[in-house]
Amino acid sequence: EVLLVQSGAGVKKPGESLRISCEASGYTYTKKWIAWVRQMPGKGLEWMGIVIPRDSDVRYNPSFQGQVTISVDTSINTAYLQWSSLKASDTAMYYCATLSDGMDVWGQGTMVIVSS
Amino acid sequence: DIQMTQSPSTVSAFIGDRVTITCRASQTISNWLAWYQQKPGKAPKLLIYKASVLQGGVPSRFSGSGFGTEFTLTIDSLQADDFATYYCQQYDNYWTFGQGTKVEVK
Repeated sequence: EVLLVQSGAGVKKPGESLRISCEASGYTYTKKWIAWVRQMPGKGLEWMGIVIPRDSDVRYNPSFQGQVTISVDTSINTAYLQWSSLKASDTAMYYCATLSDGMDVWGQGTMVIVSS
Repeated sequence: DIQMTQSPSTVSAFIGDRVTITCRASQTISNWLAWYQQKPGKAPKLLIYKASVLQGGVPSRFSGSGFGTEFTLTIDSLQADDFATYYCQQYDNYWTFGQGTKVEVK
């Protein structure tokens, strides 16, 4: 069974850094791309970017380019989403998902709260 | 950028009703269209891909159709478990979601 398990919720102050993770199991890790999706409170879904584990290539939604960094560690089947300086507007639920036709398997989500 | 527009934003329906949600793309996307269901506090769930192919385990009362720029998701005989928010998503050129359609109890 393909599973994505995300790291736990985080509460941070504006300006702080954060890295959240998405660990995969149940398949050959390099065979599926991983996407990150943001959902702000009460809002819809937004694609942030994807990482291709086979070669660690990353593609960003232009709306998120420069705001976040996506990376992968294939030795531990884990993708990351990180911020160097959080803003209050980064408060949201963040999901990772595997890509095939559509996003077929999703992590449980990581809630990030940024508040002073 | 390809924009995806869903209608309606909300649909009120009774159990047993047939519900149809429309999704329009700002440019042609062939059949590179997926539909998702999301319940409060849960991750989205893939229902349909390639516009009309049912994901494994999804009940057959769900169906999708369309090609090019106009697509529909139909739920035949709405069940209690189907009250949720539904999103379309194009994956012809990167990925874009529609704004969502909430299916609520009438």
